[in-house]
Amino acid sequence: GQNIDQPTEMTATEGAIVQINCTYQTSGFNGLFWYQQHAGEAPTFLSYNVLDGLEEKGRFSSFLSRSKGYSYLLLKELQMKDSASYLCAVLDSNYQLIWGAGTKLIIKP
Amino acid sequence: DVKVTQSSRYLVKRTGEKVFLECVQDMDHENMFWYRQDPGLGLRLIYFSYDVKMKEKGDIPEGYSVSREKKERFSLILESASTNQTSMYLCASRRGARGNQPQHFGDGTRLSIL
Repeated sequence: GQNIDQPTEMTATEGAIVQINCTYQTSGFNGLFWYQQHAGEAPTFLSYNVLDGLEEKGRFSSFLSRSKGYSYLLLKELQMKDSASYLCAVLDSNYQLIWGAGTKLIIKP
Repeated sequence: DVKVTQSSRYLVKRTGEKVFLECVQDMDHENMFWYRQDPGLGLRLIYFSYDVKMKEKGDIPEGYSVSREKKERFSLILESASTNQTSMYLCASRRGARGNQPQHFGDGTRLSIL
């Protein structure tokens, strides 16, 4: 079966760094997406990785290791507005998105 | 910016009713999707469409149908609503046939079936 695992909830402090992990087992791989979803709002696209390595976009970075079936989203200089759920999704061999359940990130002052 | 608009943010219906959820996108995207989102579960794909008049079943199509008569509009229909269809429904659109383009989501419809 296909499976995406990510922690249910994480807590971090304003100004700190947090790493949200995502491991996957899917039938084929055509890339991995990270989305941010604030409570009651639409998910919004953060990043797409298809090659191994780290991609940096401002305060947010995303890493992929295809051999390990592993990705992480790194958030630096945390702000209160980063409190949200972070969704990991893998594009399988049929180009269908398989979604993780999401990680709720709580930022404390 | 891509705009995906869902007709209602909140909807309350009764068991057995026929329910229509509407979604419109303004970026001429070929692909459109309907998901439901429940606590503790990932987004689950109900139906999707690659183009006008086309539809494909997702992972959980039972109890639902869809309509795509125009490129910009994708409707989800609950033929006879049941309480287990109480959920958040999200519509998304995506450019092109290749899956590596991001999906753009509407704000969701929180549907309660009483």
